[in-house]
Amino acid sequence: NAGVTQTPKFRVLKTGQSMTLLCAQDMNHEYMYWYRQDPGMGLRLIHYSVGEGTTAKGEVPDGYNVSRLKKQNFLLGLESAAPSQTSVYFCASSSLRSPGREQYFGPGTRLTVT
Amino acid sequence: GENVEQHPSTLSVQEGDSAVIKCTYSDSASNYFPWYKQELGKGPQLIIDIRSNVGEKKDQRIAVTLNKTAKHFSLHITETQPEDSAVYFCAPRGNYQLIWGAGTKLIIKP
Repeated sequence: NAGVTQTPKFRVLKTGQSMTLLCAQDMNHEYMYWYRQDPGMGLRLIHYSVGEGTTAKGEVPDGYNVSRLKKQNFLLGLESAAPSQTSVYFCASSSLRSPGREQYFGPGTRLTVT
Repeated sequence: GENVEQHPSTLSVQEGDSAVIKCTYSDSASNYFPWYKQELGKGPQLIIDIRSNVGEKKDQRIAVTLNKTAKHFSLHITETQPEDSAVYFCAPRGNYQLIWGAGTKLIIKP
């Protein structure tokens, strides 16, 4: 059981380039989330999904797009990277059947935009 | 919007002593109050949570207490050990999503 995995672990982009971050979970969870974490701040929700084929905006969605074509995968896209998107990105998943919706996190992707 | 504040931002305690971190929230509709621990280079991990119909919950050396009237809840760690060094986040649930505090860096001095 791998839990939540994220690829890549590190990436450096130039301003204006695009990339996709992949999140995969093998726990059959319905909910998936993308967060960003900046120094001295808590996690901020970018987008989330409550099931295959559905996505919704979180607190800081601008500049990002997501897709959930399969239940186990949640992709985060940056169409035109900006230095302000330099951050650590975490994916998480949770089960509809968990009373508290405990979120299980991946190890993170450190993205630098120059 | 919903506001969550954690205090202190950094806490340094002697190994074996107790540590207390407080979280204040603004959304009176919040009904679920978790604490997550994040070790260096890893994602956060749930360590304890409490629901709004309970005032206190304990799990070995850690406990969470909730004061819904005052809108705050606290994490208590007793007999601290080196492996407790980490960043701790409160994340009360408001409007179906977790709202994360800025984190408390706990340092355990040998």
